[in-house]
Amino acid sequence: DSGVTQTPKHLITATGQRVTLRCSPRSGDLSVYWYQQSLDQGLQFLIQYYNGEERAKGNILERFSAQQFPDLHSELNLSSLELGDSALYFCASSDRSGEGTDTQYFGPGTRLTVL
Amino acid sequence: DAKTTQPPSMDCAEGRAANLPCNHSTISGNEYVYWYRQIHSQGPQYIIHGLKNNETNEMASLIITEDRKSSTLILPHATLRDTAVYYCIVRALINTDKLIFGTGTRLQVFP
Repeated sequence: DSGVTQTPKHLITATGQRVTLRCSPRSGDLSVYWYQQSLDQGLQFLIQYYNGEERAKGNILERFSAQQFPDLHSELNLSSLELGDSALYFCASSDRSGEGTDTQYFGPGTRLTVL
Repeated sequence: DAKTTQPPSMDCAEGRAANLPCNHSTISGNEYVYWYRQIHSQGPQYIIHGLKNNETNEMASLIITEDRKSSTLILPHATLRDTAVYYCIVRALINTDKLIFGTGTRLQVFP
C-alpha cells in the first residue's frame, strides 16, 4: 500500500459526459501528479500540482483540467468524453522536501470506460 | 531526460535471480536511474534508484556501470509475485518532476 488513495476505482460513462477523479496523496506529500495509461499510448504524464499550484503540464487535453485543494487532495476533471479517453488514470505523490531525491508513489488508479 | 532501452520481455525461474538490463547511453551527470514495476494493471510501484553507486534495498539491487551508460536491476530470488512490467527511467531532479515511462520489460517468473 503506497498511501495514495484514488476514487472511484471504476467509472463507466457515456460519450459527451463529464467525470471527476479524486486523489488523496500520502500524508505530508505536497506534490500530486496525474498520469494516463491507455493501451496504445502507455503511461503518460498529464499534469503536476505542488502545494495547490500547477507546476508542470504534459500532454493534457484542453478538455481535461485538474486542481489541488488546500487539504492537498487533487481532482482531475475530464469533460466532453470520447471513446479514446477510456484508460487507467493514476495519481502519484511526492514530498518534494528538497532533501535527497524525489520519489513518486502511485495510487491504485481509476479505470475509466467511455461507452 | 535521457532515453532508455530495455528488452521487451524476459523469463526467470522461481527462486533464481532475475537480472533486468537497461541501456541509457545518453545519460547526463545529474540524472538518476529509477526503477518501477507495474503488476498487471495496478499502480506503478517504486523499486529503487541510484546515481552512480550500486544500491540495494529490501526489494532489489541496482548495479550501474562505471560510465553510467547502462544498469542492471537484480531481483535476487524471484517469486511468482515478481511477474510484472519493469520500467527503467532516467530522470534529472531539477525542473523535470515528471516520470517518462518507456515500454519496459515484461518479466515472467515461472514455477
